[in-house]
Amino acid sequence: GQNIDQPTEMTATEGAIVQINCTYQTSGFNGLFWYQQHAGEAPTFLSYNVLDGLEEKGRFSSFLSRSKGYSYLLLKELQMKDSASYLCAVRGGNTGGFKTIFGAGTRLFVKA
Amino acid sequence: GAGVSQSPSNKVTEKGKDVELRCDPISGHTALYWYRQSLGQGLEFLIYFQGNSAPDKSGLPSDRFSAERTGGSVSTLTIQRTQQEDSAVYLCASSRDRMNEKLFFGSGTQLSVL
Repeated sequence: GQNIDQPTEMTATEGAIVQINCTYQTSGFNGLFWYQQHAGEAPTFLSYNVLDGLEEKGRFSSFLSRSKGYSYLLLKELQMKDSASYLCAVRGGNTGGFKTIFGAGTRLFVKA
Repeated sequence: GAGVSQSPSNKVTEKGKDVELRCDPISGHTALYWYRQSLGQGLEFLIYFQGNSAPDKSGLPSDRFSAERTGGSVSTLTIQRTQQEDSAVYLCASSRDRMNEKLFFGSGTQLSVL
């Protein structure tokens, strides 16, 4: 089976840096994703990691360590619009590695 | 179409009634997922279709839930004898193929069971 853990809530200040951690356990691994979800809206794709290391995309970076079952999403130069839920998702499991399962999400509050 | 389309956007029903939720994925996307999201919670996996393979139904919470995908395109999620605990947003997502890393989500159907 698959299990994904991430903090429930985080608060950070505008302009600062925040790191959202995610740990996972899966019977098979075929990639880790981060999605952003604003209240009342559908999730949108942020990043994808399948190999160990850091992927950088503008203000957002995502890191993966497959041996540790660990990832983090790093948000730099925080803006008020970054207040949202951040969902860690893992593709893997028993269906040949292609089922995507989501964690419960981390609600990020950005304050002025 | 331009994006994943779900209908209806809102559905209010009485306990015990059956409901059907529809998802029209992006044209050419072979993978289709249904998820359920309760207020303030994460996405609960329900079912996964990939091409002509047998669907992965391991997330369906009970035998009141079923889903089908006709012609590898449109999908319908059916909930029979609805219960109040079925109230949630039902999200559909699609992706291009097995190795594609990104899911595109529809806007969801807000189901309220009175």
